[in-house]
Amino acid sequence: EPEVTQTPSHQVTQMGQEVILRCVPISNHLYFYWYRQILGQKVEFLVSFYNNEISEKSEIFDDQFSVERPDGSNFTLKIRSTKLEDSAMYFCASSDRLAGQETQYFGPGTRLLVL
Amino acid sequence: GESVGLHLPTLSVQEGDNSIINCAYSNSASDYFIWYKQESGKGPQFIIDIRSNMDKRQGQRVTVLLNKTVKHLSLQIAATQPGDSAVYFCAEQGGANSKLTFGKGITLSVRP
Repeated sequence: EPEVTQTPSHQVTQMGQEVILRCVPISNHLYFYWYRQILGQKVEFLVSFYNNEISEKSEIFDDQFSVERPDGSNFTLKIRSTKLEDSAMYFCASSDRLAGQETQYFGPGTRLLVL
Repeated sequence: GESVGLHLPTLSVQEGDNSIINCAYSNSASDYFIWYKQESGKGPQFIIDIRSNMDKRQGQRVTVLLNKTVKHLSLQIAATQPGDSAVYFCAEQGGANSKLTFGKGITLSVRP
């Protein structure tokens, strides 16, 4: 069964450093998403991406965040200058474009710890 | 703003019993609702979904009920098993491929 994959599974970084989180969405999906989950809290939407551009973003997704589809398979989230409060699980998700098949499937997540 | 929330933080059930997890939503414009299961250290896993033009949908051992009048969503798990122990989230979506808004999550604990 196809699945979303993410790397790395864990990332520890110093405050102010840049991090890049990587995702490989399900191969025939066209919509891509990033969510985050601070420990013990609910999953929060960050950004959605379609046709090589951002289609929707939350107020969490400020100028420190960016997303990119560098090739035909990867989807990345970059945090330019990490803050302590960026520590969270980051989940990538993808969905198909077809009506009735837009369920978002999630990857296993990257646990980011900012020290 | 609009939100989706869960009534209870934890639910403990005896193995073999049925479980019912409830969720309230406030965005009357939402047309798609999903239940996700999250095991420790893993990402949300799709369980079952329902569209706003339906009031009930059944899967394998799971049933989702939607009451649009009171904006209430529930997940019923039949014959609960130890493997069902996890955090369950309801989520709503306003339109195709738009963002998901998640509730806070409820922990289901299955007693042997």
